[in-house]
Amino acid sequence: ETGVTQSPTHLIKTRGQQVTLRCSSQSGHNTVSWYQQALGQGPQFIFQYYREEENGRGNFPPRFSGLQFPNYSSELNVNALELDDSALYLCASSLVGGQGALSFYNEQFFGPGTRLTVL
Amino acid sequence: AQSVAQPEDQVNVAEGNPLTVKCTYSVSGNPYLFWYVQYPNRGLQFLLKYITGDNLVKGSYGFEAEFNKSQTSFHLKKPSALVSDSALYFCAVRDENQAGTALIFGKGTTLSVSS
Repeated sequence: ETGVTQSPTHLIKTRGQQVTLRCSSQSGHNTVSWYQQALGQGPQFIFQYYREEENGRGNFPPRFSGLQFPNYSSELNVNALELDDSALYLCASSLVGGQGALSFYNEQFFGPGTRLTVL
Repeated sequence: AQSVAQPEDQVNVAEGNPLTVKCTYSVSGNPYLFWYVQYPNRGLQFLLKYITGDNLVKGSYGFEAEFNKSQTSFHLKKPSALVSDSALYFCAVRDENQAGTALIFGKGTTLSVSS
């Protein structure tokens, strides 16, 4: 069983650029979530994909967008980068469905994160 | 509004002593609570969760947490701390305004265990 992986590990961009971060979910998981963790803060929910469709979104502007692919890998795209976008971006996967309603409360498994620096 | 509070930025304990990391929450419905740990340059690792049932939840690495509905608390505990337990600990609650499994996290508590 492979864990959640993310790429790249670190990334430096300049203000106004666009960036794509990638995540490979844990084997067998069908749900992927993305979180932003600013320095000294807890992770904040960006959005979630379930079976390739967005099924939840946090308080982030539309320039944050994503995709989930049939193999349950995922991308986070951020356009028009701002300095405040500098953060650790975490991907998390979980298995939802097949065990009843309580499966929505299964734990999420996190990747190591991508550290984005915007200059 | 839903929220999670971790009132202590840092907790210091000596190795072998019991430890407690505090968490309080605010939700309108049933709380679904989680604890995660983060080591430097690594993602979050799941420790334990409370969904329903016994108020005392046992988790990984000897950790446990006590759910207290009247005090809206979910404190993380361990009977005997290890130096290797030193890390950043996050309490989280399922976001009931989202359809899926989105979590609302506290700001985190740094646990420092001295030898």
